[in-house]
Amino acid sequence: SQTIHQWPATLVQPVGSPLSLECTVEGTSNPNLYWYRQAAGRGLQLLFYSVGIGQISSEVPQNLSASRPQDRQFILSSKKLLLSDSGFYLCAWRVRLGYTFGSGTRLTVV
Amino acid sequence: GEDVEQSLFLSVREGDSSVINCTYTDSSSTYLYWYKQEPGAGLQLLTYIFSNMDMKQDQRLTVLLNKKDKHLSLRIADTQTGDSAIYFCAESKVRGAGNMLTFGGGTRLMVKP
Repeated sequence: SQTIHQWPATLVQPVGSPLSLECTVEGTSNPNLYWYRQAAGRGLQLLFYSVGIGQISSEVPQNLSASRPQDRQFILSSKKLLLSDSGFYLCAWRVRLGYTFGSGTRLTVV
Repeated sequence: GEDVEQSLFLSVREGDSSVINCTYTDSSSTYLYWYKQEPGAGLQLLTYIFSNMDMKQDQRLTVLLNKKDKHLSLRIADTQTGDSAIYFCAESKVRGAGNMLTFGGGTRLMVKP
């Protein structure tokens, strides 16, 4: 079956600390993968998307980066977190006509 | 301005119908989607419609698409308290080598018993 895993579910990190959020998918090959962020009380903003290993497109300039070291793994990173990086981060993959989302990571930068 | 727009809030009584509206700007969108987000949770795909369709019905959900006006709506019949959530409209676009979703800001639906 096709599933998407995202972890951790919640994270509290101090300003200036590094970040690594991981997303993996199962049951498919060469998926299109996405990272979205949802700020409190707002809609979803596309951060990065990837159509293949090592291929990353960034939608907005920011303090974050993404990598795709394996076909079914998508990682969101930061070297030094800012307060404004707080939010709900969602990984997604495109499955034929639809997009399936992970359960999300709620990041609070303190 | 935003590519996809929705009203922020809708309040209905249990048993009534809810209609959530959305407007989009990109006429080349191939698919349009409705997602539901319950508090603290990820996004759940409710339904989608292909751009050459006018209507799609799935149990209590009816999606209407007016491509000329770039207007999409989601009707929930016999709304229940469990339908209380944020509903996101999204359009699918091709950009660069990829295909991606652009979301509206979400409509918070509150169902009163």
